[in-house]
Amino acid sequence: NAGVTQTPKFRVLKTGQSMTLLCAQDMNHEYMYWYRQDPGMGLRLIHYSVGEGTTAKGEVPDGYNVSRLKKQNFLLGLESAAPSQTSVYFCASSHWDRSYEQYFGPGTRLTVT
Amino acid sequence: RKEVEQDPGPFNVPEGATVAFNCTYSNSASQSFFWYRQDCRKEPKLLMSVYSSGNEDGRFTAQLNRASQYISLLIRDSKLSDSATYLCVVNIGFTGGFKTIFGAGTRLFVKA
Repeated sequence: NAGVTQTPKFRVLKTGQSMTLLCAQDMNHEYMYWYRQDPGMGLRLIHYSVGEGTTAKGEVPDGYNVSRLKKQNFLLGLESAAPSQTSVYFCASSHWDRSYEQYFGPGTRLTVT
Repeated sequence: RKEVEQDPGPFNVPEGATVAFNCTYSNSASQSFFWYRQDCRKEPKLLMSVYSSGNEDGRFTAQLNRASQYISLLIRDSKLSDSATYLCVVNIGFTGGFKTIFGAGTRLFVKA
């Protein structure tokens, strides 16, 4: 039982490049989330999904897209990376009726130069 | 104004000390409250829920004051392993959805 996994763990991009971050969970959770964490800012919700095939915007969605084609996977895409997107990205999942109890992946450290 | 505010610290305390963290929230519609713990360069993990009546889990006590809109976490008999960042988390429900807000965290260093 791996819980929540994220790939890659580290990545360096140049401005304008694109990439996709993959999140997978094996707990059969309905809800999945993508956050970014920056010093002094706390975790900020980028996008979330309440079920397969559905996604919704969070607090800071601009510059990102997501897809949830399978219940266990939640993908975060950066179409044209900018230095302001340098951050640590965390994926999380939860049961629909316990959204406060979120299980996080180990994070992806992204640097955009 | 941030929806959830915490003193960033750091709090530097000796082993065995008692330390308390406070957190304030601005949305009076906030429904549920939690403390998460995040070790350095690791992911956050749920530490405990916070109930109006107050709740205790071993050396940890959490309290909620709805009238003043603040939450507290008390750690007694601090251990070196308690060194981490403690995140205050507030859940706000609304018609058709919900919102979970994480505070920026309070850093704790426990030294021998």
